[in-house]
Amino acid sequence: KQEVTQIPAALSVPEGENLVLNCSFTDSAIYNLQWFRQDPGKGLTSLLLIQSSQREQTSGRLNASLDKSSGRSTLYIAASQPGDSATYLCAVQYSGAGSYQLTFGKGTKLSVIP
Amino acid sequence: DGGITQSPKYLFRKEGQNVTLSCEQNLNHDAMYWYRQDPGQGLRLIYYSQIVNDFQKGDIAEGYSVSREKKESFPLTVTSAQKNPTAFYLCASAAPGRPYEQYFGPGTRLTVT
Repeated sequence: KQEVTQIPAALSVPEGENLVLNCSFTDSAIYNLQWFRQDPGKGLTSLLLIQSSQREQTSGRLNASLDKSSGRSTLYIAASQPGDSATYLCAVQYSGAGSYQLTFGKGTKLSVIP
Repeated sequence: DGGITQSPKYLFRKEGQNVTLSCEQNLNHDAMYWYRQDPGQGLRLIYYSQIVNDFQKGDIAEGYSVSREKKESFPLTVTSAQKNPTAFYLCASAAPGRPYEQYFGPGTRLTVT
């Protein structure tokens, strides 16, 4: 059974700092990996999707990398802003489960201090 | 505007009562999903449906039921058999051929006392 772990559970940084969020998964036979953002009491917004054949994806100040062999992904946020404060969730879609299922980590709660 | 709506945003029920959460989408998506989220936890899949009149159990289906009579709608009933129903419930949908691109609704927070 696939397990997804996110470290740290919470992170507080001053505005302007670059930061890295980590995600690890136990089964490397994945179709893809996604990073989501969740604001308090809200639904999820997809930030980046990395297919299993890809190494990284970029969107604005966000860059996500994927290393299937080691079962790891990182989300890099450059020049953090207070508006980046949210919980960031990592999810994998893997071949061991029903093909339509995503397995989520517990998230990293990010606070960017002005 | 296309999107997914969930209603109500907050729902309060007494223990022992069944309650139905609404999920509607106008994205013309075939697949729809229900997830449960507990504080400090990731999302766990309750049920999913790939097509009208068909649905499958997810990882934590016990105590829940669903129906999929229309493409646009996928209501979730939380029955009295669900031991810990208080949680945040999220609905999602996905386009044909792209099940990994799930679009999420705003969620319903259910409190059972």
